[in-house]
Amino acid sequence: KQEVTQIPAALSVPEGENLVLNCSFTDSAIYNLQWFRQDPGKGLTSLLLIQSSQREQTSGRLNASLDKSSGRSTLYIAASQPGDSATYLCAVRVGGYQKVTFGIGTKLQVIP
Amino acid sequence: EAQVTQNPRYLITVTGKKLTVTCSQNMNHEYMSWYRQDPGLGLRQIYYSMNVEVTDKGDVPEGYKVSRKEKRNFPLILESPSPNQTSLYFCASSFGQPGYGYTFGSGTRLTVV
Repeated sequence: KQEVTQIPAALSVPEGENLVLNCSFTDSAIYNLQWFRQDPGKGLTSLLLIQSSQREQTSGRLNASLDKSSGRSTLYIAASQPGDSATYLCAVRVGGYQKVTFGIGTKLQVIP
Repeated sequence: EAQVTQNPRYLITVTGKKLTVTCSQNMNHEYMSWYRQDPGLGLRQIYYSMNVEVTDKGDVPEGYKVSRKEKRNFPLILESPSPNQTSLYFCASSFGQPGYGYTFGSGTRLTVV
């Protein structure tokens, strides 16, 4: 059974810092990995989607990497802003397209 | 605009009163799924559908029903809601091929008293 772990569970940083969020998964036979952002009580917004054949994806200040063999992905946020404060979730699609497993998330607070 | 639409956004109901949460997508996605999100437990899959008339159980299907009569709609039915079904519910959709990611609805906050 696929398990997805996100560390740390919570993170507080001053504005302007670069930061890294971690996601690890137990079954490396994945199709893709997706990073989401969730604001309190709101839906999930897709940030980046990395296919199993890719090593990284970039969008603006965000960069996500994938190392399938070690079962790890990182989300790098450059020059953090207060508007980046949210919970970040990673989701792994594995074993057929119908099965997606989510981590519990990392709650990020960027302090002005 | 491509989106997944859930209704209602908020719902308070009483134990045992049947309810339906609707989900509709306009992206011609084959795959649709329902999740519930609870503090400390994350997102757990309730049911999913790979196409019209094809549905299957996720990790926590007890107390829920679904149907997929049309490609765009995937309603979640609680025949006899109980307080332990108080949660934040999300509908998601995707193309059927593995290379695509999910699109989520805005969520439905359900309270059963």
